[in-house]
Amino acid sequence: EAQVTQNPRYLITVTGKKLTVTCSQNMNHEYMSWYRQDPGLGLRQIYYSMNVEVTDKGDVPEGYKVSRKEKRNFPLILESPSPNQTSLYFCASSLSGLYGYTFGSGTRLTVV
Amino acid sequence: KNEVEQSPQNLTAQEGEFITINCSYSVGISALHWLQQHPGGGIVSLFMLSSGKKKHGRLIATINIQEKHSSLHITASHPRDSAVYICAAFSNTGNQFYFGTGTSLTVIP
Repeated sequence: EAQVTQNPRYLITVTGKKLTVTCSQNMNHEYMSWYRQDPGLGLRQIYYSMNVEVTDKGDVPEGYKVSRKEKRNFPLILESPSPNQTSLYFCASSLSGLYGYTFGSGTRLTVV
Repeated sequence: KNEVEQSPQNLTAQEGEFITINCSYSVGISALHWLQQHPGGGIVSLFMLSSGKKKHGRLIATINIQEKHSSLHITASHPRDSAVYICAAFSNTGNQFYFGTGTSLTVIP
C-alpha cells in the first residue's frame, strides 16, 4: 500500500531533550516536506526537499533540522525542543510539487 | 500578510445543499491544491489544479489564474463531507507551499 509513515504518533518530551520524528514513503517520490499545524494559524511549511541531499527552508524553519540521505526517508530533528514547538506535525510526499500529495497520519508533540 | 486567503472560515449547511468554498492567493503559483482534513486529523489531497476545472464525484474545483482565485464546490452535500477544507498554493519561485487557514464545514442531516 502506498503510504507515508510517520513515527511516533504522540510524543511528550521535556524542554531541551533532542528528538527525531521519522518520516518514510514507499512511492519513490522526489518531493518531501514537513509542516506544523497550530490552531488559528493553519498549516505552515517547515522544510522541504526536492531530492536526495537537497533541502530548503520553508516558512518556519527555526529550531528544526532535516536531512535527506535516502529518497524514502526525511526525518525532522528538534535539537533543543521548546514549549513553542508544541504542535501537530505532518510529513507529506509527492512525485513533485505539481502532483497530488500523500500525507502521513501526523505526530502530536507536546514539549513541557 | 497571508499569501492565501480562504472564505468562509466556518460553514454550516443542510444535507443536499450546494456548497462553495473560495480561495484567493497573492503569490505566483505552479499549482493550487485542495486538501481535506477529517475530524480525526488525517489529511487527504483532493485536487491539484494548474488551470481550468477538475471534477471527482460530487466535488468540483476550478481555478482562474488571471484573477488568482480558486473555488471548491460540493454538490448534494452529505454529513460525511463534514471536514476542514484547506487551499494550498505551490509557489513557482522556490517550490514552497502557502496554506489558507481552512474552512470548517459541517453538514447537518
